[in-house]
Amino acid sequence: AQSVAQPEDQVNVAEGNPLTVKCTYSVSGNPYLFWYVQYPNRGLQFLLKYITGDNLVKGSYGFEAEFNKSQTSFHLKKPSALVSDSALYFCAVRDSSGGYQKVTFGTGTKLQVIP
Amino acid sequence: KAGVTQTPRYLIKTRGQQVTLSCSPISGHRSVSWYQQTPGQGLQFLFEYFSETQRNKGNFPGRFSGRQFSNSRSEMNVSTLELGDSALYLCASSFLAEGQETQYFGPGTRLLVL
Repeated sequence: AQSVAQPEDQVNVAEGNPLTVKCTYSVSGNPYLFWYVQYPNRGLQFLLKYITGDNLVKGSYGFEAEFNKSQTSFHLKKPSALVSDSALYFCAVRDSSGGYQKVTFGTGTKLQVIP
Repeated sequence: KAGVTQTPRYLIKTRGQQVTLSCSPISGHRSVSWYQQTPGQGLQFLFEYFSETQRNKGNFPGRFSGRQFSNSRSEMNVSTLELGDSALYLCASSFLAEGQETQYFGPGTRLLVL
């Protein structure tokens, strides 16, 4: 069975500092990996997706994520945090092998950027 | 372009009833996915449709079903509602361009089962 772990319920970072939101996954085949963000009262938004190729994936709002196959991780990063980045972040994985492919989400990490 | 629209936005039903939720994707998008979000279970994937065919599905009981029409609009049906079906139901549409796929989410339908 596939799974996603977001080990931190909350991450606090000062504005202007780099931020990292951690995600590790487990799938039997090759993973498709996703990051989503949910702002208060603004719904869920897609940030970025890894399918294959470059291990560093660039997404919306200056975010990027690094795929590390040996560590089965897909951490979300941003060089300089903004207060407006404060939101709930979800990592998700889909096993690209097989017939029906379901998506599994992590439990979410609340990012708090402190002015 | 108009965004993804979901109707109704809010719904109250009682146990045992059935409900149909609607999702209209962004024009030109042929893929529609459905998700359930609850405080207890978090975000869960329901199913994905592409060109009227169910392409992927999650681990939900058969009470949850969906379909997609030729204009890419999608409906999700839940029969014999249970209290635990109370949730925010999200729909997303996506398109593939130059090898990149981007999803766009609707505002959701908040379902309360009493």
